[in-house]
Amino acid sequence: SQKIEQNSEALNIQEGKTATLTCNYTNYSPAYLQWYRQDPGRGPVFLLLIRENEKEKRKERLKVTFDTTLKQSLFHITASQPADSATYLCALLMDSSYKLIFGSGTRLLVRP
Amino acid sequence: DVKVTQSSRYLVKRTGEKVFLECVQDMDHENMFWYRQDPGLGLRLIYFSYDVKMKEKGDIPEGYSVSREKKERFSLILESASTNQTSMYLCASSLGAWGTANTGELFFGEGSRLTVL
Repeated sequence: SQKIEQNSEALNIQEGKTATLTCNYTNYSPAYLQWYRQDPGRGPVFLLLIRENEKEKRKERLKVTFDTTLKQSLFHITASQPADSATYLCALLMDSSYKLIFGSGTRLLVRP
Repeated sequence: DVKVTQSSRYLVKRTGEKVFLECVQDMDHENMFWYRQDPGLGLRLIYFSYDVKMKEKGDIPEGYSVSREKKERFSLILESASTNQTSMYLCASSLGAWGTANTGELFFGEGSRLTVL
């Protein structure tokens, strides 16, 4: 069956450290993978897109990798801050579809 | 500033009632989507529309219908609300065709939390 898996347990880290979140998928062949941030009671906000032919993408303190062999994306936040505390969602898009398929998200807590 | 506006943040309805959730976007986007979000299940696609009067079923369309009479407005209808439709409903929009020049970013509204008693 098709699955997108993100760690359901919260990731708890100290301010200043690098946070690494994982998105694994099975039985999909996505053309694109996106990451979103969601704060409690709010809609998700787009952060980054990475395409299947890209290994890595960076934006300020954010870095995303995409390994289509391992069927995995890693999302890194360097020099993390308490304001980075939120739930982070990965989403897959197949090449011939408008539909984004979301993981259930991982909650990140950054302690001051 | 781009905006997707959902008509109600919180609704409480009774079983069997007809429920309308309205969504308006001001970005002239072709695509609009309705998702529901439940703890541990993530966002699940109910319906989407890629043009006026066009609609396609998502992964969980049962018990729902949609209407898109104008480009900027996409409505979700629960014909007869049931308790298992208690959820957070999220509307989103995106530009038309995906490709190198388009990140396919979804712009979400703030959500409508529906409780069916």
